Amino acid sequence: GDSVTQMEGPVTLSEEAFLTINCTYTATGYPSLFWYVQYPGEGLQLLLKATKADDKGSNKGFEATYRKETTSFHLEKGSVQVSDSAVYFCALSYYGQNFVFGPGTRLSVLP
Amino acid sequence: SQTIHQWPATLVQPVGSPLSLECTVEGTSNPNLYWYRQAAGRGLQLLFYSVGIGQISSEVPQNLSASRPQDRQFILSSKKLLLSDSGFYLCAWRRDRGFNSPLHFGNGTRLTVT
Repeated sequence: GDSVTQMEGPVTLSEEAFLTINCTYTATGYPSLFWYVQYPGEGLQLLLKATKADDKGSNKGFEATYRKETTSFHLEKGSVQVSDSAVYFCALSYYGQNFVFGPGTRLSVLP
Repeated sequence: SQTIHQWPATLVQPVGSPLSLECTVEGTSNPNLYWYRQAAGRGLQLLFYSVGIGQISSEVPQNLSASRPQDRQFILSSKKLLLSDSGFYLCAWRRDRGFNSPLHFGNGTRLTVT
């Protein structure tokens, strides 16, 4: 079946460091890909999405590119802030199907 | 714009007591509605989803049930809570099941069964 794999962390970085959170997927077709962020005690918020190969989603300084050849959708940010500390979820969706989420990656950014 | 409301935010209930969590969506019609649970740790478990009034699909057999009495209302219930029902419950909606239709989540209910 379809699945999403991501580094489970925790990932600990210093403020202004470069961030990469890896996400790879297994799918029988060509899904849409999403990144969600969950701040402590809150629900998940959509961070960005991409709907076809080579699309780049971006929001709030975060970026991810849909790579069909490597079945990946890695999340990147050039300079993280303490306020970026959260859990990040990678997910995929097909037409007519429910979302498939990865296990989440906890990010801690130290001042 | 669309908004989703979930309540209560926190709940402490004794084992064996009933449960009712409510979720409503405003600003859209005929949304797809979802209940997820997040146990200790981070993973999301899909419990129920609904594509219309009175239509409920269960993803895992358990001590919980769901109902959709109105188009924009989704209720999660239990007749007798178990300790294992503790967790963070999230309601979510989608416009439809189109491949690029994102999920939008509520702020969650933290349930502790004692």
